[in-house]
Amino acid sequence: DGGITQSPKYLFRKEGQNVTLSCEQNLNHDAMYWYRQDPGQGLRLIYYSQIVNDFQKGDIAEGYSVSREKKESFPLTVTSAQKNPTAFYLCASSKGRRDNQPQHFGDGTRLSIL
Amino acid sequence: DQQVKQNSPSLSVQEGRISILNCDYTNSMFDYFLWYKKYPAEGPTFLISISSIKDKNEDGRFTVFLNKSAKHLSLHIVPSQPGDSAVYFCAARDPGTYKYIFGTGTRLKVLA
Repeated sequence: DGGITQSPKYLFRKEGQNVTLSCEQNLNHDAMYWYRQDPGQGLRLIYYSQIVNDFQKGDIAEGYSVSREKKESFPLTVTSAQKNPTAFYLCASSKGRRDNQPQHFGDGTRLSIL
Repeated sequence: DQQVKQNSPSLSVQEGRISILNCDYTNSMFDYFLWYKKYPAEGPTFLISISSIKDKNEDGRFTVFLNKSAKHLSLHIVPSQPGDSAVYFCAARDPGTYKYIFGTGTRLKVLA
């Protein structure tokens, strides 16, 4: 079945440590997105990529980095510069920027601080 | 400033009755609107969408209404079922950036 796979489901970070969240899709989608969800809040956009080797900052990009070397993969690194990283992270993909097609989401990664 | 707002954090409805979830937006240029359903510790699941050139879209028990003059979107679920209990997010697409902007969600509880 086609879909989006996020791993790991749970992740713990020590102070000063960088951690990388994986996101892989086999939907042949061009666009991919990373969101952060905090309790009682909506989804806030961290980074997005409309095409391989290109990505743009979202609304809360500080302390995060991404890469898009392959169409299927869009890993997110939470760096030590992100002072409040505890949250639920969601990866999504969509067919293309001009298509009226919905985003499809993975099941998320919950990141906590040790 | 929040561009997409869901002003009701929660809603309780009796099984079999209609559930109406509301969403307001501020940017008249938004061109595509979506509703998602989310269970705890899972990713949102797409429910239904509507283009800005339409005012209604129906899919089974779910109907989305768009009132562009009021910048208002609503989701009707008829009849409501206990399995519909979840958090519902509305989202709008900005055609300038192709970013999707989400509301804060409404928790729906359908009582058996």
